Amino acid sequence: GAVVSQHPSRVICKSGTSVKIECRSLDFQATTMFWYRQFPKQSLMLMATSNEGSKATYEQGVEKDKFLINHASLTLSTLTVTSAHPEDSSFYICSAKGQGYGYTFGSGTRLTVV
Amino acid sequence: GDSVTQMEGPVTLSEEAFLTINCTYTATGYPSLFWYVQYPGEGLQLLLKATKADDKGSNKGFEATYRKETTSFHLEKGSVQVSDSAVYFCALKTNMNRDDKIIFGKGTRLHILP
Repeated sequence: GAVVSQHPSRVICKSGTSVKIECRSLDFQATTMFWYRQFPKQSLMLMATSNEGSKATYEQGVEKDKFLINHASLTLSTLTVTSAHPEDSSFYICSAKGQGYGYTFGSGTRLTVV
Repeated sequence: GDSVTQMEGPVTLSEEAFLTINCTYTATGYPSLFWYVQYPGEGLQLLLKATKADDKGSNKGFEATYRKETTSFHLEKGSVQVSDSAVYFCALKTNMNRDDKIIFGKGTRLHILP
């Protein structure tokens, strides 16, 4: 079946630094990638949707300059949290969709900003 | 807007007990409905789905029936196992354009005691 590989699974960074999270579709072409954020005991909140080769569409309230999304190829999308602060600590998860393939989720990244 | 409401957890049951996790939705049009499961330390996995009214999704002993009249998609299992301990998310997807989003409920944590 379809697999999405997400790295890193856990990352701890210092406040003010940037962190990049990668999602790769391993055996299909991901025409659309979704990035979610999950707060403790909360649901997954959609942050943005990106189509390969296009700018990402951000949900209301999500700062596009803080959460940079790149979807330069059909198998790779990245989320960069810039100038991270403790309130950015969360669980981030990607989901990829491709022709003939439904929504496949990555395993998530636990970000802790100290 | 579209939304999903599911019962709050945690839900704690003994092994072989009957499980029900309630889920109701609000949506325009005719959404597809899903249950996802998140095992400890892992990403989301699709458990089952239903795409139209009266459809029943089933997998691994779990079932859920798409009830349009009550806008519900309750998850049931007749005899739970310790290995079913996880967080369960009810979700919907509108079917109105190619960039459909998946909207999640808050998740229900399930603990099964041996």
